[in-house]
Amino acid sequence: QKEVEQNSGPLSVPEGAIASLNCTYSDRGSQSFFWYRQYSGKSPELIMFIYSNGDKEDGRFTAQLNKASQYVSLLIRDSQPSDSATYLCAEGGGAQKLVFGQGTRLTINP
Amino acid sequence: DTGVSQDPRHKITKRGQNVTFRCDPISEHNRLYWYRQTLGQGPEFLTYFQNEAQLEKSRLLSDRFSAERPKGSFSTLEIQRTEQGDSAMYLCASSFGLDGYTFGSGTRLTVV
Repeated sequence: QKEVEQNSGPLSVPEGAIASLNCTYSDRGSQSFFWYRQYSGKSPELIMFIYSNGDKEDGRFTAQLNKASQYVSLLIRDSQPSDSATYLCAEGGGAQKLVFGQGTRLTINP
Repeated sequence: DTGVSQDPRHKITKRGQNVTFRCDPISEHNRLYWYRQTLGQGPEFLTYFQNEAQLEKSRLLSDRFSAERPKGSFSTLEIQRTEQGDSAMYLCASSFGLDGYTFGSGTRLTVV
């Protein structure tokens, strides 16, 4: 049974600072990883995906993958109050069935 | 059509009743997924279609749940003899390639 673990938080970060969200996974053979953002009462929306070891940057967001240590992280630079949401880490299985973590609730304080 | 559509947005039903939800995926997407999400948890996989074929069904899904995707277009998820534990957000998602998928707005089910 594949598992994805996240700290449920809440994680509180001051506005303008870097928010760091972490995730570990159990299946050493996993190849693809996804970060989704979910506002309260809304459905998840895809932020980034990463397949290769190292960093992948998209605007204020950077995803980091370390397959040897089986962890994935998401950095949000220059955090804004609008970044306050639950962030879901997911591991992609065959045919892209995703296994999600429970999510980390992030609050950006003005 | 620029997104995944789900109907209804909200459903309140009495325990023991049957309910059916509909999902219309993004038109060029050949894969369609159903997930269930309860408060404070991540989405939990229920079932998956590629075109009209149901290729995987979670073993957590009881026989009261059934899903169809006739002609590989829209999909329906039916829950028979609903129980209070079925109360959740039911999310549909669709995809074509390997770069993640797009969720619909979800159907919130409340069983009273």
